[in-house]
Amino acid sequence: DQQVKQNSPSLSVQEGRISILNCDYTNSMFDYFLWYKKYPAEGPTFLISISSIKDKNEDGRFTVFLNKSAKHLSLHIVPSQPGDSAVYFCAASPLNNNDMRFGAGTRLTVKP
Amino acid sequence: KAGVTQTPRYLIKTRGQQVTLSCSPISGHRSVSWYQQTPGQGLQFLFEYFSETQRNKGNFPGRFSGRQFSNSRSEMNVSTLELGDSALYLCASSSTGGGGGYGYTFGSGTRLTVV
Repeated sequence: DQQVKQNSPSLSVQEGRISILNCDYTNSMFDYFLWYKKYPAEGPTFLISISSIKDKNEDGRFTVFLNKSAKHLSLHIVPSQPGDSAVYFCAASPLNNNDMRFGAGTRLTVKP
Repeated sequence: KAGVTQTPRYLIKTRGQQVTLSCSPISGHRSVSWYQQTPGQGLQFLFEYFSETQRNKGNFPGRFSGRQFSNSRSEMNVSTLELGDSALYLCASSSTGGGGGYGYTFGSGTRLTVV
């Protein structure tokens, strides 16, 4: 049951431009949404999260937007840097337990 | 402090065999979750343990099982291995018993290859 979906398996952008990664979810019981970044041969690392009561959360170059009515969230990276090249996973979690579900991931390539 | 440790890093098994993977969480973390990562499927949730109890379970067959010890270390077992079980198995620990925006800390994973 794919409760969290990332429909774009890959994205390529030029250094300095904006990267926009998208994610859709089906379960309206999710309370928190998170983005993780993964490099090869390493585990995913937490990047940024947003509560379902908010529509935007910003942390430096990273901003996550949440559209609850559309069950859609996106991660914006501005400006993109070559070191941002990685696989990005969208995840969602209910408030009261650690049942976190992930999307299939989007491979971001930032070209110098 | 030490991160999440998964052993072994790599494993090759034959179809029909069984395998046990180990995960040592960050000291003080009581929640351990297991995920299977395969190309195109992302991270599929296997199960989550908290204080030695399985609290959440994903949609995997009964061949996949796990347990957690009193020191919070966790093991997962896969019996009667199939070729499709080849994947990267990741565990993550969390300090909180609840969910929410408290990101997990993941280990580097165990790469299982079934031949």
